[in-house]
Amino acid sequence: SQQGEEDPQALSIQEGENATMNCSYKTSINNLQWYRQNSGRGLVHLILIRSNEREKHSGRLRVTLDTSKKSSSLLITASRAADTASYFCATDQYNNNDMRFGAGTRLTVKP
Amino acid sequence: DGGITQSPKYLFRKEGQNVTLSCEQNLNHDAMYWYRQDPGQGLRLIYYSQIVNDFQKGDIAEGYSVSREKKESFPLTVTSAQKNPTAFYLCASSLGQGDGYTFGSGTRLTVV
Repeated sequence: SQQGEEDPQALSIQEGENATMNCSYKTSINNLQWYRQNSGRGLVHLILIRSNEREKHSGRLRVTLDTSKKSSSLLITASRAADTASYFCATDQYNNNDMRFGAGTRLTVKP
Repeated sequence: DGGITQSPKYLFRKEGQNVTLSCEQNLNHDAMYWYRQDPGQGLRLIYYSQIVNDFQKGDIAEGYSVSREKKESFPLTVTSAQKNPTAFYLCASSLGQGDGYTFGSGTRLTVV
């Protein structure tokens, strides 16, 4: 059963602009993770935010978590053409470590 | 370098055949996972293993089998009972609960 749902499904922006992707989920979680996938490749872990955290930063990435709304957002600042990829959120449930992934947001950054 | 290796990269299966996808990790991770990804879709969990000699069904386990005889290895067999096996298969590992996953580069399986 899919837990996370990303929004939008696709996003196209110009290089230098910011990109915001959202994720909503259904049940209580321990943590929420964001991953990136280049076409035809495996996923790369970007950032993990725990249920007791509200915001985390990693380089040009900023993730927020609102457990009351069961939602998270991923912001990529000053985007580059190399950021073009699909981005997935994944969530666990309490006492489980089997992550469930959403369908992803396909980000295209035009040079 | 530590990592997780999937092989082969491409695999072709005839109707009625069983095939086994390999997944090996040298990260000393306890937990390992298999996911299936269909075009334009997210990942769906097939099986996972939190510890050697133990594994659990995920959301779409029917037609698949796994074993976990060694910590480093978690092979997935796609049996003839899986009616629509054409997909991209991803293996992952993690230290355990609350840790990020490390993914392999995937195996693309096609039924011919």
